[in-house]
Amino acid sequence: AQSVTQLDSQVPVFEEAPVELRCNYSSSVSVYLFWYVQYPNQGLQLLLKYLSGSTLVKGINGFEAEFNKSQTSFHLRKPSVHISDTAEYFCAVGSADGLTFGKGTHLIIQP
Amino acid sequence: GAGVSQTPSNKVTEKGKYVELRCDPISGHTALYWYRQSLGQGPEFLIYFQGTGAADDSGLPNDRFFAVRPEGSVSTLKIQRTERGDSAVYLCASSYAGTPNEQFFGPGTRLTVL
Repeated sequence: AQSVTQLDSQVPVFEEAPVELRCNYSSSVSVYLFWYVQYPNQGLQLLLKYLSGSTLVKGINGFEAEFNKSQTSFHLRKPSVHISDTAEYFCAVGSADGLTFGKGTHLIIQP
Repeated sequence: GAGVSQTPSNKVTEKGKYVELRCDPISGHTALYWYRQSLGQGPEFLIYFQGTGAADDSGLPNDRFFAVRPEGSVSTLKIQRTERGDSAVYLCASSYAGTPNEQFFGPGTRLTVL
C-alpha cells in the first residue's frame, strides 16, 4: 500500500521569497514520485518527477525537489516565487497501476 | 497536438439518475486512468486501462460505478443510481504505456448530484 502526506494544507508566502512545500510518502515497492500543479479552473500539470538517479530533480517554472530515501520525503522548493505561482500543489507516488495523491497544498502568494 | 479532453465539463443530475462521463485520451496513449477529486482533497484513483482491458479497477467505490474502453481509445465512466456523495470532479488521464511515464490530465467533469 502507498500513501502520501502533505503536511501543510496552506502555505502563505510573500512574493519573491523562497518556498518549500513538504511531502512525505510511504511505499512498499519501487518509488516513483511526482509533483503536479493545479492552477485555478485548470487541469493538473506535471511539475517534475523522480524515477531514479540524481536525488535532486529540476522541473518547470523554476521548481525543484529533492528525494530523500531515509526520510521518505520529496519536498518541493522554489527560490523566489511569483504571483503566478498561486495554485494547488499535489505530491503523488506512482505504482504500476496509477498515482496516489496527497491532499494538496494551497500556495498563496502575498504581494 | 490535442490534449486529453473530457465531456461534459459540467453535469448536474438528480439523485437516482444514470450518468455517463466521456474521456478522449491523447492519440497513441495506451494507458488511461480515471480519478475522482472531492472538494479539498487530492485525486483518488478509480480505474486503470491498458488498451481495452481494465488492468486495475480496485478504486471503484462500489458496483454502481463502471467504466469501459471498447476500442482502446475513448473511455466512458458510467454511474448508476447516482447519490449526492458522488458529487465531485472526475478526472481522466492518459499516458504512453503507463507508469512511470507522465500522466496527462484532462480538465475534468464536475458532477453535481442534487
